[in-house]
Amino acid sequence: EAQVTQNPRYLITVTGKKLTVTCSQNMNHEYMSWYRQDPGLGLRQIYYSMNVEVTDKGDVPEGYKVSRKEKRNFPLILESPSPNQTSLYFCASRLSGTGRGTQYFGPGTRLLVL
Amino acid sequence: AQKITQTQPGMFVQEKEAVTLDCTYDTSDQSYGLFWYKQPSSGEMIFLIYQGSYDEQNATEGRYSLNFQKARKSANLVISASQLGDSAMYFCAMREDNAGGTSYGKLTFGQGTILTVHP
Repeated sequence: EAQVTQNPRYLITVTGKKLTVTCSQNMNHEYMSWYRQDPGLGLRQIYYSMNVEVTDKGDVPEGYKVSRKEKRNFPLILESPSPNQTSLYFCASRLSGTGRGTQYFGPGTRLLVL
Repeated sequence: AQKITQTQPGMFVQEKEAVTLDCTYDTSDQSYGLFWYKQPSSGEMIFLIYQGSYDEQNATEGRYSLNFQKARKSANLVISASQLGDSAMYFCAMREDNAGGTSYGKLTFGQGTILTVHP
């Protein structure tokens, strides 16, 4: 089954404790990205990757890091989480190019930073 | 400036009636795509419908149709024969394709509209 998986699905942590949210896709997609969802703001892109070892900042990259060492994986790293990073996080992937190219979303990770 | 605007924070509809969710967008690109996603209370993002900027016909997918008015830069979602299971948050999103015809895939989302279907 074609899917994007994220782990963990729920996470409560404390300010400053480094954490990683994993993302993996099994569709051989080149393009992967991370979004955060906050009330009244919709989803905003944090980082994206066009292929292995190619990553770039989205609209709200501050406080986040990513890496793309393998095509299927795109982890999101919070080196020193703060309460303003409490949010719902989505990983997404798609084939590159124009057209319909449906973007597949993971199930989401709910993060609470105390 | 907002690239995607959904002016209706919440909408109510009676079961079996049709409802229109508004979306306006702003872009200077000639090539772009417009999407609608549904997010039920469980949180996942469910793709509903896609409209390409060069598509001449309005997109339809079952009970969903997209009323695409390019000159007005609007892409309203019409849900016909509403069902209780349609109660959810709905997001309009746009993907802009650069002049070279490639797309990096970034979606810009609106703020969302919460739809409540009453029995």
